[in-house]
Amino acid sequence: AQKITQTQPGMFVQEKEAVTLDCTYDTSDQSYGLFWYKQPSSGEMIFLIYQGSYDEQNATEGRYSLNFQKARKSANLVISASQLGDSAMYFCAMREEQTGANNLFFGTGTRLTVIP
Amino acid sequence: NAGVTQTPKFQVLKTGQSMTLQCAQDMNHEYMSWYRQDPGMGLRLIHYSVGAGITDQGEVPNGYNVSRSTTEDFPLRLLSAAPSQTSVYFCASSPTYPGSDTQYFGPGTRLTVL
Repeated sequence: AQKITQTQPGMFVQEKEAVTLDCTYDTSDQSYGLFWYKQPSSGEMIFLIYQGSYDEQNATEGRYSLNFQKARKSANLVISASQLGDSAMYFCAMREEQTGANNLFFGTGTRLTVIP
Repeated sequence: NAGVTQTPKFQVLKTGQSMTLQCAQDMNHEYMSWYRQDPGMGLRLIHYSVGAGITDQGEVPNGYNVSRSTTEDFPLRLLSAAPSQTSVYFCASSPTYPGSDTQYFGPGTRLTVL
């Protein structure tokens, strides 16, 4: 079974609007971490935000917030006030912390296009 | 600080050739890893290391070899290149969990096997 599922291959959003990118995960571990990365057309992987499974509050980093719903096993990324520079691929990833290693499982990504 | 560096940026190989992708980090991170990114597949873990002298396999280790003789370097060896190994390869590093909430990725190496 896929550990990370991103069901939106592509999304469009109007500049200055908010957008939600979906991510669901599958794990039997009690302790895990969830990550979002941005990959612009230049190809580098840029870390955006992290949520630990025991964190009670949703993580926020500037215009990025993570809508963490543990019972539904979802970790959606919300980008507020979209900018043209937000156009990129976005990857959700999970770390299962039982292993003690910092290994990440990635989803297949969502391509976000911001429309002027 | 340079962060995580990878060389080369691009490489073309013929089937059956061998080569080494280089990865180095200057942040004194214990954990290092290699991922490959194929179209529509996301990133998949090839091998990882939690410290010098310690390596282990990830999801897709076949056809690749690694070693970790120093904290800074974590080279990935392709033993006999195959077209199925055409991909973008990313090296990453971080402090060993716990205590890290991210990984630092290198810029990637785009490999084509003919």
